Amino acid sequence: GAVVSQHPSRVICKSGTSVKIECRSLDFQATTMFWYRQFPKQSLMLMATSNEGSKATYEQGVEKDKFLINHASLTLSTLTVTSAHPEDSSFYICSASSGTYGYTFGSGTRLTVV
Amino acid sequence: QKEVEQDPGPLSVPEGAIVSLNCTYSNSAFQYFMWYRQYSRKGPELLMYTYSSGNKEDGRFTAQVDKSSKYISLFIRDSQPSDSATYLCAMKGSGSARQLTFGSGTQLTVLP
Repeated sequence: GAVVSQHPSRVICKSGTSVKIECRSLDFQATTMFWYRQFPKQSLMLMATSNEGSKATYEQGVEKDKFLINHASLTLSTLTVTSAHPEDSSFYICSASSGTYGYTFGSGTRLTVV
Repeated sequence: QKEVEQDPGPLSVPEGAIVSLNCTYSNSAFQYFMWYRQYSRKGPELLMYTYSSGNKEDGRFTAQVDKSSKYISLFIRDSQPSDSATYLCAMKGSGSARQLTFGSGTQLTVLP
């Protein structure tokens, strides 16, 4: 079946530094990738939608200069949290779509900013 | 009002019980309905996908959709401790819009 690999699974960084999270579709081409943020015991909040080769579409309230998304190929999308602060600490999850209903999620990245 | 409402629980049942999880929605444009299971600190995994009203069965899981009432359910038969997780309903419309709208998730614990 469709597999999405997300790395790293956990990262701790110092306040003010940047962190890059990778999301790869391993056995299919992902025309669209989604990035979510999830707080403890809450549902997934869509941050942005990216289509291969185009700029990402950000949801209202999500700072595009802080959360940089690159979707340079059909199998790779990256989310870079720039100048991270403690309030950016969260669980980030990517999802790749290859068809009408084919949504496969990565295993998530737990970001802790100290 | 949220587009998708889901009772967050927590829900605790004994092993072997039948579990019923439900979501209601307000957007009549939703045409595709999914149930995801999410273990702690992991990404969601797709359990069931349905399009039309009615029932769809897969092993111990049955997904039910009632579009006239804007109500979907997931039933788990013979629940196991390994079913303990958060269950998220998700839905989307047809056409070019691709993002899913999620419920808030129901935390389920199956006690041995």
